[in-house]
Amino acid sequence: DQQVKQNSPSLSVQEGRISILNCDYTNSMFDYFLWYKKYPAEGPTFLISISSIKDKNEDGRFTVFLNKSAKHLSLHIVPSQPGDSAVYFCAAPVPGNYKLTFGKGTLLTVNP
Amino acid sequence: DAGVIQSPRHEVTEMGQEVTLRCKPISGHNSLFWYRQTMMRGLELLIYFNNNVPIDDSGMPEDRFSAKMPNASFSTLKIQPSEPRDSAVYFCASNRDSGNTIYFGEGSWLTVV
Repeated sequence: DQQVKQNSPSLSVQEGRISILNCDYTNSMFDYFLWYKKYPAEGPTFLISISSIKDKNEDGRFTVFLNKSAKHLSLHIVPSQPGDSAVYFCAAPVPGNYKLTFGKGTLLTVNP
Repeated sequence: DAGVIQSPRHEVTEMGQEVTLRCKPISGHNSLFWYRQTMMRGLELLIYFNNNVPIDDSGMPEDRFSAKMPNASFSTLKIQPSEPRDSAVYFCASNRDSGNTIYFGEGSWLTVV
């Protein structure tokens, strides 16, 4: 039962353009969300997070938007750079639980 | 500061052999997680330790898998006997007081032939 879903396995964008990575969730109890970035042959690294009390969190070129009514969040990268090419995972901890549930990831390729 | 350290980085073994993966969490972190990444299932939590005690091993696929944490700075994940379907990347991760953000090691790439 996939509670966090990333329906696009891959995304390709041109350098300088916006990358939009999407994530949907089914558990309405989720109140915190994280994005992780993973390069080949490395472990996932934390990128940005958002609490359900907000609908937007920005950190440099990275912005995460949360639409609680639609149970949807998205990660925007502007402008995209070739070094952003990686797999991006959306994740959420189950409230009152230690488990971090991950989506299956989206492979972003930024072309020069 | 050193991150989560895993060894070996790569392991190729024959079916039926025992495999032991090792992890050193970040100093001061009291929660440790073992994840497995496969194409089909993505990142799955196998087992979680808090203060060296296994709290939930419901993600461990079967009895062939076992994990230990004898002290705060070391954990092992053992597969005996190994099978080709165990081929995956195994990640160890840690955090402090079960906070939301966990920190991953670089993974152990296991191939069972």
